[in-house]
Amino acid sequence: DSGVTQTPKHLITATGQRVTLRCSPRSGDLSVYWYQQSLDQGLQFLIQYYNGEERAKGNILERFSAQQFPDLHSELNLSSLELGDSALYFCASSVGVGSPLHFGNGTRLTVT
Amino acid sequence: GQQLNQSPQSMFIQEGEDVSMNCTSSSIFNTWLWYKQDPGEGPVLLIALYKAGELTSNGRLTAQFGITRKDSFLNISASIPSDVGIYFCAGPQTAGGTSYGKLTFGQGTILTVHP
Repeated sequence: DSGVTQTPKHLITATGQRVTLRCSPRSGDLSVYWYQQSLDQGLQFLIQYYNGEERAKGNILERFSAQQFPDLHSELNLSSLELGDSALYFCASSVGVGSPLHFGNGTRLTVT
Repeated sequence: GQQLNQSPQSMFIQEGEDVSMNCTSSSIFNTWLWYKQDPGEGPVLLIALYKAGELTSNGRLTAQFGITRKDSFLNISASIPSDVGIYFCAGPQTAGGTSYGKLTFGQGTILTVHP
């Protein structure tokens, strides 16, 4: 158990809809990262937050947004969903910059 | 951007055999990480390498940070059925910063172990 909790585990929704994925980092970790894993693209970095502030952005679509709250949990919002958004979405956390990442078990999103 | 090339893409071995996989890049990495992903779970950190030439072990796993800083390899000795999974190499993207968070991942090596 990595200590990173993600909910829900599975999500099935229709195209055009909006969903919110939630992540609770390990106790004491200030940094939260979101990754997308699909069969054709592998593990892709989306966005990073550190202590409530956006720290780095990767290949995140404009339809996607995230935030980190004062209690350090984070949410990833995906809107106007398309079939191609179907993937595993992982959250990871670390104590800070320079520390290895610890991943949650992911949310499997299926867009129909 | 930086890319990591892992090989082989997949391996089918017998229990008890040793396994070797590697990761190469056209860019220099200052850190190499090896992760394992079991079905239905997130990647789990196996070994972290911080210095060129470093050789680090974790039980039956041994990983090395290449001298050129452009490659790394992972060995598994005396494989067992629970070694099954996908093994990823990863390194922090250096463009725009040195945050560990912006990890570049290899495509993964799928390991199957036959009892």
